[in-house]
Amino acid sequence: DAKTTQPPSMDCAEGRAANLPCNHSTISGNEYVYWYRQIHSQGPQYIIHGLKNNETNEMASLIITEDRKSSTLILPHATLRDTAVYYCIVRVAQTGYSTLTFGKGTMLLVSP
Amino acid sequence: DSGVTQTPKHLITATGQRVTLRCSPRSGDLSVYWYQQSLDQGLQFLIHYYNGEERAKGNILERFSAQQFPDLHSELNLSSLELGDSALYFCASSRGLLATGELFFGEGSRLTVL
Repeated sequence: DAKTTQPPSMDCAEGRAANLPCNHSTISGNEYVYWYRQIHSQGPQYIIHGLKNNETNEMASLIITEDRKSSTLILPHATLRDTAVYYCIVRVAQTGYSTLTFGKGTMLLVSP
Repeated sequence: DSGVTQTPKHLITATGQRVTLRCSPRSGDLSVYWYQQSLDQGLQFLIHYYNGEERAKGNILERFSAQQFPDLHSELNLSSLELGDSALYFCASSRGLLATGELFFGEGSRLTVL
């Protein structure tokens, strides 16, 4: 799986958009970008994933650059409950490919 | 609530002892994954079972073993415990062989070895 690079920490004011960047310059054509988050000592939670097109769900939006070498996870209106470690993971999506490899992620602190 | 149940939530034991952690996957999920999270190592993949068979091994020590039973629940056995085994142990499940990349994690079992 391609390696990802994320800033170790970011701050965001409550109610503002949180934009979390991820660099994956060695990504291959068949690798997807996944985002998970982990609220303090809880189990990680799936947020969103995408291949090349931008994706949106009820939690967040994922913007992938045209060359696919980087992406941004957007939480449109951050709340205090969004304080968590956010993991960007690049992985081949195919049956039989076994697991997700978590890096160190970005610690997002949302403040009042 | 992810639907994945882990027991016990907390466990305190002594060095040299053996413990068993239990995981019940979401209803209908055939895959179970075990991860270890310690302060200095982050989330480390240990092992993956699919429908009772081992599918992949990660950084799992020889003192650790796991199995998945016919009812699909899984157990992680940790023996000859050392101080460094103190960690959060997470179980996750997925419907099949993780084609979509979505894992559902339990709330973890916190193991403290004294």
